[in-house]
Order: sequence, then C-alpha cells, then structure tokens
Amino acid sequence: SAVISQKPSRDICQRGTSLTIQCQVDSQVTMMFWYRQQPGQSLTLIATANQGSEATYESGFVIDKFPISRPNLTFSTLTVSNMSPEDSSIYLCSADASGSHSGANVLTFGAGSRLTVL
Amino acid sequence: GQNIDQPTEMTATEGAIVQINCTYQTSGFNGLFWYQQHAGEAPTFLSYNVLDGLEEKGRFSSFLSRSKGYSYLLLKELQMKDSASYLCAVKDSNYQLIWGAGTKLIIKP
Repeated sequence: SAVISQKPSRDICQRGTSLTIQCQVDSQVTMMFWYRQQPGQSLTLIATANQGSEATYESGFVIDKFPISRPNLTFSTLTVSNMSPEDSSIYLCSADASGSHSGANVLTFGAGSRLTVL
Repeated sequence: GQNIDQPTEMTATEGAIVQINCTYQTSGFNGLFWYQQHAGEAPTFLSYNVLDGLEEKGRFSSFLSRSKGYSYLLLKELQMKDSASYLCAVKDSNYQLIWGAGTKLIIKP
C-alpha cells in the first residue's frame, strides 16, 4: 500500500494567519482526500483533490477558506486560510489505495497535522 | 440523514475478547470498513465487508448483516497494543464514505 508523508505534524498559529499542509505519496494516485478530525468526532471530508482539475468540496467547505493544490499525481497541499480558533483540529490527507482488496477502495492516511489556533 | 453509531468507549482485559458494534443508516450500501487509529497516528485499514457474514483475519474478525444495518469487529487474545480507537465507515450509494465517531478501546492488564 501507499505511504503518505504529511507535514507539519503540528503547529500553533495566530488568529488571522494561514497555514499550508503538505502531503506527499510515494506512488502515483488518482484521488487524494483531505479530512478534518476533531477530538472524539468522526472524520469529516473537506474535499477531494484530483490532478489537473479543481478540487471538489463537500458541503460546508469552500475554496476560499481551504484552497487545495494538486500539481501532480504524488503531491497535494491544503491551506487553512484566515484561521480562527474554530479551525483548531487535526487535518488528515489520504489517498485511494485501490486494488489492495477486491471491491474495496482502501484509504491510506497521512499521520495528520494537529493545528492549534490561538 | 446518514448515521453511523458505535460506542464511545470500551474497556477490556488483556488476553480477553471484545466485540465492538457498529450500526448504520445510510442511503445505499457499497461496503463497510473498519480502521484502527492509535492516539496521534493515522487510521490504518483493518477489514472490509460487502457481503453478509464473518471475515476472519488473524486475531481480528469482522461481521456484517446488511438487512440489520449492523456490523461488529471482534478482537481476540487482546494485547496492550490493541488500545486504540476503532472507526467504522460505510460507503453509501454514491460511493461516499460515511464515518462513525470511533470507539476508544482501553486494554487493562
């Protein structure tokens, strides 16, 4: 299965600033996904990033707040813009590791980026 | 709406067996996944069920009943390293993954 490197692993940010999270996959993948996970809660999909096209955002998430880049098949970034304390969360990138189990699209995740906004 | 329910927390003893339940109400069904997530780490894939029945993989087994909207993850011969959160996720009719909030499993010696 794919290996995903994600950075930063954690950061403390000031209100109103922006932070970019990077995600590198060790193999080419078609789709990459960005999730948010708040303590004790389920994973929430922010957007799906496809190479060569604009990201597809889920309800409640907009491009101005969470711009995403996907310049090639192994790399993606998520920017959290104009941060507020409500953006404090763990952000996870993942990739579709299809083929590892018949019929299943198994996701491989990065280790996550824990952001604290003061 | 779509909903995945699983217990928030469970405690079990090293060497014992524990069953983590997951019930779901989704628009369609295209498979159910279990992931393990240790504190501060990425979720990792454990199992996938798309047909009714039991899938066994070493100490871990996963069961599915589509008619009941129900699954469980069974962990045998518990080890301290099994202390983690276990996430249930269902792929709906649009092939979107719906995630449960996870069950935190605490293993005591």
